[in-house]
Amino acid sequence: GESVGLHLPTLSVQEGDNSIINCAYSNSASDYFIWYKQESGKGPQFIIDIRSNMDKRQGQRVTVLLNKTVKHLSLQIAATQPGDSAVYFCAENKGTYKYIFGTGTRLKVLA
Amino acid sequence: DTEVTQTPKHLVMGMTNKKSLKCEQHMGHRAMYWYKQKAKKPPELMFVYSYEKLSINESVPSRFSPECPNSSLLNLHLHALQPEDSALYLCASSPKAGDTEAFFGQGTRLTVV
Repeated sequence: GESVGLHLPTLSVQEGDNSIINCAYSNSASDYFIWYKQESGKGPQFIIDIRSNMDKRQGQRVTVLLNKTVKHLSLQIAATQPGDSAVYFCAENKGTYKYIFGTGTRLKVLA
Repeated sequence: DTEVTQTPKHLVMGMTNKKSLKCEQHMGHRAMYWYKQKAKKPPELMFVYSYEKLSINESVPSRFSPECPNSSLLNLHLHALQPEDSALYLCASSPKAGDTEAFFGQGTRLTVV
């Protein structure tokens, strides 16, 4: 059988469609959140961040939404492109040096 | 320069070997990190240096020994590793604690045989 954690959750999206990647964070005291993109064989790359005094932040083609009530974070990617295919991680921080990563979601863009 | 540079990119070592991983940044960041990442898992924090002093050790086995010779350099000395230590080792840096992004290097792919 399969071991827990050997398979990343996967989101398959048609090229040109919008993608929504979700993340549940663990610490209600966390006050800073980051989304990272990690391509195969590379280190995590910063996409966008948000502080706990905000509900929404927009970047180029990306939007992050923060719902502190249910400790939920989402990343929306508009007009998804093949180059967006990667693993996406959310990370939380509570004003310390510890950045704690979520489990990750693999995004597959279908041509 | 907004890069964190790690060397080597790949390393194969025996269980009796001693090797070192190196990390360098020239962004003036005062916090530097070592993370370990296994396949299909998120990065896991190992060590944090703040102003060249060890701030956090996440109960890492002593066969991993970090060193921060100066504000731009971070090393990870490896000795008597086990095959299960095979992973991608990532270095990161940030300007200060919290509310700022951490910049990651490309990692060192370590295989212990």
